[in-house]
This record gives sequence, C-alpha cells and structure tokens, in this order.
Amino acid sequence: GNSVTQMEGPVTLSEEAFLTINCTYTATGYPSLFWYVQYPGEGLQLLLKATKADDKGSNKGFEATYRKETTSFHLEKGSVQVSDSAVYFCALSMNAGNNRKLIWGLGTSLAVNP
Amino acid sequence: DSGVTQTPKHLITATGQRVTLRCSPRSGDLSVYWYQQSLDQGLQFLIQYYNGEERAKGNILERFSAQQFPDLHSELNLSSLELGDSALYFCASSVTEWGGGYTFGSGTRLTVV
Repeated sequence: GNSVTQMEGPVTLSEEAFLTINCTYTATGYPSLFWYVQYPGEGLQLLLKATKADDKGSNKGFEATYRKETTSFHLEKGSVQVSDSAVYFCALSMNAGNNRKLIWGLGTSLAVNP
Repeated sequence: DSGVTQTPKHLITATGQRVTLRCSPRSGDLSVYWYQQSLDQGLQFLIQYYNGEERAKGNILERFSAQQFPDLHSELNLSSLELGDSALYFCASSVTEWGGGYTFGSGTRLTVV
C-alpha cells in the first residue's frame, strides 16, 4: 500500500544552521506530496506542496523537490530560526482513484537553539 | 485563525463516559476530516465526510462515531471512554472531496481520567 517514511527526530540545530528532513514515499501511481508543520499547541498547517515530478514547493524559506526517481520529497531550509521549532509532517495523497485521503509520516520534531 | 473552529479546546472526563467534539469547517469547504494525535500512535486518520456523506474511514474504533450535518459542521462522538483515548483530536476541512491542502483546526485535547 501507499506509505510515507520520515527521518526520526528529534532534530536539534543551532540558529542559522542548514536543515534537511528526509521523506520518502511508496505509492502505486502518481501522488501529490505535502509538508505540514505543527507549532507547539497548534493544529497542523500546510507548509508546501508539489503535485508532479520535478515540481518544487517553497514557502517561508523552506523548499522540497518532488523526486520521482528516488521517491523522495526532502524538506530543506538554508538558515533555520528559533521560530522554526515545530513538528514537521510529510504526507501524500493520490491524485486518482477512490482512496485519496492523506497518508501521513510520523512527524519529525525540530528544535532550534539560539 | 485558520477558519476551522473546534470546540471545546480542552475536555477532561472519566472513563466510561461519552463526549461530543464539534467542528465547523472553513467557509466554503465541503469535506471534513477527523484525526487523532497521540504520543505513541502519531497522527491517525479517523474518518472523512463530504457534503454530509461518509467518504472514507480510517482507524476509527467502533466506540467512536461521527456525522456531518446539513450546515456542514461535524461532530465526533466518543463513548465508553478509556484512558488510552486521551489524545488531541483534530478536525480539518477542504473544498474538494479528496486530496491535500487541508486546513486544520487547533484541536480538542481530551484527557480521560
């Protein structure tokens, strides 16, 4: 079946460090891929998305490129801030068929220290 | 404010009791999704409604039920509560019947004692 695998956390970085959170997926077909972020005490928010191979999603300095050849959608940011401390979820949704609900990774907690 | 409203924000109740969680979707959204988030299970999809009809079911226990009303708000009913039901329950909404780009509410934190 379809699944999403994220790197385990927690990830701890110093401010201005480079961030990579790995996400790989398994899907029969051509999914859309998403990154959601959950700040402490809040609900999840859509951070960025990509709907087809080679698309790059970007928002708030974060980027992720849909790589069909490696079935990956790694999240990157060049210089993290303390305010980026949150839990990040990778997810996929199939673009066709009867079961299009989001499939979630387990989440990766990021802590950024000043 | 995401536009998705969940009430109550916090709920403390005893084992064996029944509670109802309420969700009002973002204006114009027809789909409502319920999720459970706990430390040991992560984010679990429970159920989806689209324009009043059930569309998809996930890991929802038989003790739990949900519905979406004509005004599109949704309620999640949890009965015969157990300690293990303590979790954050999120509602999300979207315009379409499927796919990502959900808007999440801020959740209801349920504590069963």
